[in-house]
Amino acid sequence: AQKVTQAQTEISVVEKEDVTLDCVYETRDTTYYLFWYKQPPSGELVFLIRRNSFDEQNEISGRYSWNFQKSTSSFNFTITASQVVDSAVYFCALSEVGHTGGFKTIFGAGTRLFVKA
Amino acid sequence: GAVVSQHPSRVICKSGTSVKIECRSLDFQATTMFWYRQFPKQSLMLMATSNEGSKATYEQGVEKDKFLINHASLTLSTLTVTSAHPEDSSFYICSARDRAGDYEQYFGPGTRLTVT
Repeated sequence: AQKVTQAQTEISVVEKEDVTLDCVYETRDTTYYLFWYKQPPSGELVFLIRRNSFDEQNEISGRYSWNFQKSTSSFNFTITASQVVDSAVYFCALSEVGHTGGFKTIFGAGTRLFVKA
Repeated sequence: GAVVSQHPSRVICKSGTSVKIECRSLDFQATTMFWYRQFPKQSLMLMATSNEGSKATYEQGVEKDKFLINHASLTLSTLTVTSAHPEDSSFYICSARDRAGDYEQYFGPGTRLTVT
């Protein structure tokens, strides 16, 4: 069964600090996708990144970077030089492409990030 | 990019009434749509998966007679909350999978349901 664990419920940082949001997943499938989403107070999910199970290359996009390590089943997200606008709830998610052809995405519990000025 | 819309964005209804929420894929065809529910300060919980032209598959613990899902076309899925009660008040989010895509999933903006 698939499972996503985001152990950090809330994180509070001061602007310009770097912050890493942890994500650990469980799956029995060899083919799967990992995602990060941002959910601001408005509620609408903002897609940040998708990574498939065969691509362990780390990625950097501006102040955002992601570290995918299959050996530890982790997909961590780092925000460099955080800004107040980064304050939101961040969700890590896992999609399995199952043996039966089914497709399901489940979400971690989310990490609420507060960035103080 | 692909866009998914939801209507209404907010709805208030009285206990015992039914309310319908629409989810549309605006610029792509969605063979599969998903409905999620999110209670305050909690995560998104998958309620059901619907494939166009067939019955929805509900997750364990979700009452299919209470949450009616219809996926009549490749661009529209509806969720009807029947005989709504205050405990059904929640944020409902749909997502759609692009028929032509690589398992890409696009999320709607959500519908906030308040049952009084």
